[in-house]
Amino acid sequence: QQPVQSPQAVILREGEDAVINCSSSKALYSVHWYRQKHGEAPVFLMILLKGGEQKGHEKISASFNEKKQQSSLYLTASQLSYSGTYFCGTAFFSGGYQKVTFGTGTKLQVIP
Amino acid sequence: SQTIHQWPATLVQPVGSPLSLECTVEGTSNPNLYWYRQAAGRGLQLLFYSVGIGQISSEVPQNLSASRPQDRQFILSSKKLLLSDSGFYLCAWSDQVEGETQYFGPGTRLLVL
Repeated sequence: QQPVQSPQAVILREGEDAVINCSSSKALYSVHWYRQKHGEAPVFLMILLKGGEQKGHEKISASFNEKKQQSSLYLTASQLSYSGTYFCGTAFFSGGYQKVTFGTGTKLQVIP
Repeated sequence: SQTIHQWPATLVQPVGSPLSLECTVEGTSNPNLYWYRQAAGRGLQLLFYSVGIGQISSEVPQNLSASRPQDRQFILSSKKLLLSDSGFYLCAWSDQVEGETQYFGPGTRLLVL
């Protein structure tokens, strides 16, 4: 029940925009987004809890459609520092415990 | 503020040798604790999680085990390493009350030869 991310990889020039999608086959409680730089631990970006909720973090924002069990991460006016692998984590309740399952990641490279 | 530590940072071990990786969390009480493994270029695979001392749930059958001897200490072990155990091991914690966000430690890079 691993969420599916698309695209798997994307190359952007500085200033360009990108969208990363995350979809799940299971009903979701929340969606988490992380960014991981090469050789480092994943860093939390944001969490979305409600259907249709949108959140923003600098020039990175996300939406969550719980009915469609989908979330999208929007990166606008990309900067070199945005390079890394982006993971979505989809959360649902199992046995009274909130379990987060991570997608396979989207590798984003921003070039000058 | 909360911090999470892992050690060692890197480890090279021969096949068949034992393993012990340690994770400790500071600045919080009664956290949920997790062990993940990440193979090179791959996603995060949840190995174990714990909601309290001595309470361990396993997600994937393997030759690894986990223990939580203290509230903020989580240990990943193996009696005999396999080549396939190589990877980047990440410990994470989340707040039991808020429960939502997981924060990752710096990780241990394990190479089994």
